[in-house]
Amino acid sequence: ETGVTQTPRHLVMGMTNKKSLKCEQHLGHNAMYWYKQSAKKPLELMFVYSLEERVENNSVPSRFSPECPNSSHLFLHLHTLQPEDSALYLCASSQETKLGSSTGELFFGEGSRLTVL
Amino acid sequence: KNEVEQSPQNLTAQEGEFITINCSYSVGISALHWLQQHPGGGIVSLFMLSSGKKKHGRLIATINIQEKHSSLHITASHPRDSAVYICAVGAVETDKLIFGTGTRLQVFP
Repeated sequence: ETGVTQTPRHLVMGMTNKKSLKCEQHLGHNAMYWYKQSAKKPLELMFVYSLEERVENNSVPSRFSPECPNSSHLFLHLHTLQPEDSALYLCASSQETKLGSSTGELFFGEGSRLTVL
Repeated sequence: KNEVEQSPQNLTAQEGEFITINCSYSVGISALHWLQQHPGGGIVSLFMLSSGKKKHGRLIATINIQEKHSSLHITASHPRDSAVYICAVGAVETDKLIFGTGTRLQVFP
């Protein structure tokens, strides 16, 4: 099994749809992240979960809703998205020594490429 | 101005060439990361360093803390090295990673 697994790899949805992205890590890490990658822009941190508690929101629109039921699983629920939300969404995990820190070595999933029509 | 700047933005090379990608940053850092992203999306961590130099196979990463600068070198480049290389720094003030925009490398046979 690979370290961090994301599904689906590709998703096309209309603006009124509700869908979810799933991430699973098998590395025993204590922190998980959602990043957004848009063309020609740096990776943007969306959400951080450390010890299953959300510690970072970064002012992400409420149409994105994260869920972390346990230390190995992370979801990103999507509803009423806009075309500008089309991007690559990357999940990552790391082992942090301090709650709320996110500077450790990151292990990424393959990403979920989202297209909003 | 971005807190993490990479140069060049795009780089093409012939197979076998020696390649250097640069990263400059303007914040205090705990560590610097070099990441590789292949077409299709997945990102792999290549190096995490806070001083000196690290080597892994044909890849070498160096950092100069005083000058706030790091370089990633690829020796004897190969078409399979074609990817986007991303520099990221762990900012001491915020305890968060700040990413550069990446350097797109294409190596031709």
